[in-house]
Amino acid sequence: GAVVSQHPSWVICKSGTSVKIECRSLDFQATTMFWYRQFPKQSLMLMATSNEGSKATYEQGVEKDKFLINHASLTLSTLTVTSAHPEDSSFYICSALGTGGLLADTQYFGPGTRLTVL
Amino acid sequence: AQSVTQLGSHVSVSEGALVLLRCNYSSSVPPYLFWYVQYPNQGLQLLLKYTSAATLVKGINGFEAEFKKSETSFHLTKPSAHMSDAAEYFCAVSFTLRDDKIIFGKGTRLHILP
Repeated sequence: GAVVSQHPSWVICKSGTSVKIECRSLDFQATTMFWYRQFPKQSLMLMATSNEGSKATYEQGVEKDKFLINHASLTLSTLTVTSAHPEDSSFYICSALGTGGLLADTQYFGPGTRLTVL
Repeated sequence: AQSVTQLGSHVSVSEGALVLLRCNYSSSVPPYLFWYVQYPNQGLQLLLKYTSAATLVKGINGFEAEFKKSETSFHLTKPSAHMSDAAEYFCAVSFTLRDDKIIFGKGTRLHILP
């Protein structure tokens, strides 16, 4: 149980285009999901907290107009990188916060999406 | 402010030897502490989690960690390293039991020598 998937696993795009990354909790519902960014050989940095049915909460320094987050259902959150530039190239990881029973209050991480902007 | 410091960005041990990955934390409130493992190009997998129930926490894959308040440490150990343990390990701290706002350390790359 507690599997989180991300799609796509990797994507290459041209500068100026937008890219959408999906994060799904496959076997549990998650009212809260998180989006992280990881640069090579560095730690994860929290970008934003996504709450189902409400606006995402962004961490300081993260441009909410550039990184659009939508959490339209209890099993899906999407991150759209708008007008991507090479400096947005990174590894994006999502997590879903378990609710209820043994899954409660624990973050389950997706496998990540490697974004390369040319 | 809460933070974690992982000592050593790279650690090498021989197969079969003791694994010790060091983590020290800073917190103004009782912390919740985690160890995660990340294999190349993959997300994070929770190894173990300290929630104040017991100072010695046993996790998956034979790993365990001991919470030492006096030393503000939460070091990760495994008695005998296996080749499959080669990965990046992250120590992390949270303000609340609910697991939100996890703050990660910079990670330690564990290399296993044959």
